Amino acid sequence: NAGVMQNPRHLVRRRGQEARLRCSPMKGHSHVYWYRQLPEEGLKFMVYLQKENIIDESGMPKERFSAEFPKEGPSILRIQQVVRGDSAAYFCASSRLKEEKLFFGSGTQLSVL
Amino acid sequence: QKEVEQNSGPLSVPEGAIASLNCTYSDRGSQSFFWYRQYSGKSPELIMFIYSNGDKEDGRFTAQLNKASQYVSLLIRDSQPSDSATYLCAADPSGGGADGLTFGKGTHLIIQP
Repeated sequence: NAGVMQNPRHLVRRRGQEARLRCSPMKGHSHVYWYRQLPEEGLKFMVYLQKENIIDESGMPKERFSAEFPKEGPSILRIQQVVRGDSAAYFCASSRLKEEKLFFGSGTQLSVL
Repeated sequence: QKEVEQNSGPLSVPEGAIASLNCTYSDRGSQSFFWYRQYSGKSPELIMFIYSNGDKEDGRFTAQLNKASQYVSLLIRDSQPSDSATYLCAADPSGGGADGLTFGKGTHLIIQP
């Protein structure tokens, strides 16, 4: 019974490159959330998706960031033209029902050089 | 702005004592509250959730909710060094919105052997 799977665990990018973060929710979960965590900061909500639909992206920057959760395959958080300020831990969480208990993946630590 | 506030700490408690972690929230319509534990460099792990006013006990953990005061707490009895971690309080947003949980910045707990 695999939990929420995220990859890669660590991602290093140079400024201007693209970062793609992947998340497979727990089996039976159809709700996916992406959060960003900066050092000494709490988890900041970015986007909430269900299969093939973005339900709420109010926490996501308007430019360079996008997310998807296709019918087949993992959810993808995509950051184009990364800048140093994008360096953070990005966590994906899933739930069986909307806003029920969230189970988190191990996160992707993005470092922008 | 819906917020969840926690004292960042560090909160230092001797081994075997009771650790008391507190949290306040601004959204009076929030109905569900969660406590997550996060070890350094790891993902948040759900340890307790509470929906109703009063106390909820699970092993050494007790969650307390007072909706009138917009206050949530977590008590850890017989504290162990392995309880040393950052504890994140989270609340669900009200108003029928689709936002993800709102997290506090966390309280850093240190259990002294």
